[in-house]
Amino acid sequence: AQSVTQLGSHVSVSEGALVLLRCNYSSSVPPYLFWYVQYPNQGLQLLLKYTTGATLVKGINGFEAEFKKSETSFHLTKPSAHMSDAAEYFCAVKAAGNKLTFGGGTRVLVKP
Amino acid sequence: KAGVTQTPRYLIKTRGQQVTLSCSPISGHRSVSWYQQTPGQGLQFLFEYFSETQRNKGNFPGRFSGRQFSNSRSEMNVSTLELGDSALYLCASSPSASGEPTDTQYFGPGTRLTVL
Repeated sequence: AQSVTQLGSHVSVSEGALVLLRCNYSSSVPPYLFWYVQYPNQGLQLLLKYTTGATLVKGINGFEAEFKKSETSFHLTKPSAHMSDAAEYFCAVKAAGNKLTFGGGTRVLVKP
Repeated sequence: KAGVTQTPRYLIKTRGQQVTLSCSPISGHRSVSWYQQTPGQGLQFLFEYFSETQRNKGNFPGRFSGRQFSNSRSEMNVSTLELGDSALYLCASSPSASGEPTDTQYFGPGTRLTVL
């Protein structure tokens, strides 16, 4: 079975500051990892995913994440926060099949 | 390409009633999955359909059911509604026939169900 833990249900950052959202996973098989973003009253939008190959993955809107097997982590970063980054972010894992297992989510507040 | 569409967007029902939610996947996508999102339990997988067959199922009671039609459109049904069924129900589609874990799932805007 697989599970995902997102450290911090709420994160507050200043506009222009680094955004760092933490995700740790547990999986009995090599995992496939995803980050999704959810804006108010909307569905989930894929930011990026790790399947195989390069461990540093670049996504949309300037986000990137690094897969670290030794730390079972897949943290999401963005060098400079923008007001439009205010949203809820979900880390998810798939081990087999098409079932996503999600973390609890991290809500990001961006202060001007 | 049009995205995943879900209807209706909002729904209010009373306890004991039943409800049917609809999902139209992205054109050409044959896999449709359903998720429930609540403040307390977060995002939880309900089931996945491919070629009109349920391919995977989450840990929900039998009151939750679904089906898929030959055009890949999917419906989910909840019978004998309970207050705890109030949630955002999200549908996602993916293009792969094999259901590989590398597949990306594309989500619709959801249907917000309120049970009174």
